[in-house]
Amino acid sequence: NAGVTQTPKFRVLKTGQSMTLLCAQDMNHEYMYWYRQDPGMGLRLIHYSVGEGTTAKGEVPDGYNVSRLKKQNFLLGLESAAPSQTSVYFCASNPTGRNQPQHFGDGTRLSIL
Amino acid sequence: DQQVKQNSPSLSVQEGRISILNCDYTNSMFDYFLWYKKYPAEGPTFLISISSIKDKNEDGRFTVFLNKSAKHLSLHIVPSQPGDSAVYFCAASEWNNDMRFGAGTRLTVKP
Repeated sequence: NAGVTQTPKFRVLKTGQSMTLLCAQDMNHEYMYWYRQDPGMGLRLIHYSVGEGTTAKGEVPDGYNVSRLKKQNFLLGLESAAPSQTSVYFCASNPTGRNQPQHFGDGTRLSIL
Repeated sequence: DQQVKQNSPSLSVQEGRISILNCDYTNSMFDYFLWYKKYPAEGPTFLISISSIKDKNEDGRFTVFLNKSAKHLSLHIVPSQPGDSAVYFCAASEWNNDMRFGAGTRLTVKP
């Protein structure tokens, strides 16, 4: 019973490199989300998806892209990483709507040098 | 523009006593409020919620109070236990819109 699984757990990148963070959920949830958490700030929504094949921008989408080709997977891409993207990234999902309780993964700690 | 604020970064309480965590919000359109709990190296887990049509919701040792006129909510934990030591996030949303999170309060319950 894995819930929401994020891969990788840690990563260090150099400025300008690209990478993809993977989120997988086994609960058949329609809605999936990517957040970032920075010191002194709450979780901020980057992008979200209301179903397979759909994506939408959240509060802080710049510098990120997402894809939801399969219902269970939600990918977050950084095309050209910048030090300002150093953060802890959380993926979440829920079955019914954007303002309902969400199930979170354990996070990916990303450092960009 | 932080619409949800938790002004106390940390709180320390003795085991068995009451813990009160506070949260203020600025958006009067918020109609659903949640508390999440987070342990180190784990993701947040949902704890309790309250709709704007209520002013109190209780679940075991956890009670959330909502004061809409003051745009304030609080989480009461009674009695507090060492296992309650964690970071608590307040969150709020309006229907079919993004959830907004506070910065969190680190609760330490001392044995």
